[in-house]
Amino acid sequence: DTGVSQDPRHKITKRGQNVTFRCDPISEHNRLYWYRQTLGQGPEFLTYFQNEAQLEKSRLLSDRFSAERPKGSFSTLEIQRTEQGDSAMYLCASSLDSSGRNEQFFGPGTRLTVL
Amino acid sequence: GEDVEQSLFLSVREGDSSVINCTYTDSSSTYLYWYKQEPGAGLQLLTYIFSNMDMKQDQRLTVLLNKKDKHLSLRIADTQTGDSAIYFCAESRRSSASKIIFGSGTRLSIRP
Repeated sequence: DTGVSQDPRHKITKRGQNVTFRCDPISEHNRLYWYRQTLGQGPEFLTYFQNEAQLEKSRLLSDRFSAERPKGSFSTLEIQRTEQGDSAMYLCASSLDSSGRNEQFFGPGTRLTVL
Repeated sequence: GEDVEQSLFLSVREGDSSVINCTYTDSSSTYLYWYKQEPGAGLQLLTYIFSNMDMKQDQRLTVLLNKKDKHLSLRIADTQTGDSAIYFCAESRRSSASKIIFGSGTRLSIRP
């Protein structure tokens, strides 16, 4: 399968713990995005990388959140000191934006539940 | 997505056409998209339209864009049970070409 993959698919944690999610984009895609989706809502943009550079961050991305893409391939999203309000689906997407269409391909998501 | 609005639910009879509507607020939108999300699955890009177009057709899907009214619609002809899903309208803007701004989604259910 050459689509976007995310790991784990589900994560249950206790409040105050740290969690880390991984995203593997489509191999030739240079752009990688993180979104958060809560129940009954559409995805909300969190951050975006072009290659290894993090070029944009939403104000939703508090200082407890950090994302990296060290070699311009896979990316990790870490949430420190999780809160119940962090419970959501975390979606990763990638694109190869040579056309300007910004056609983003999404992974299946990681569902986080904070108890 | 307060900048992109959609009705929450739509119910249609199998074989009929479905029309899902969306309004957006930013006049600098460049591309507008329709995504489909099925239970347990990721978002799937169905189709997109560039802001200088007013219509795009792709098999059973027809997208209409009224840029003056900032209104986008998706018509699904001959709706099938497999079309049951949540459909998201989304846009990208010149001001931030990286991110896509999504609506809250329209849940389409199909009656036999």
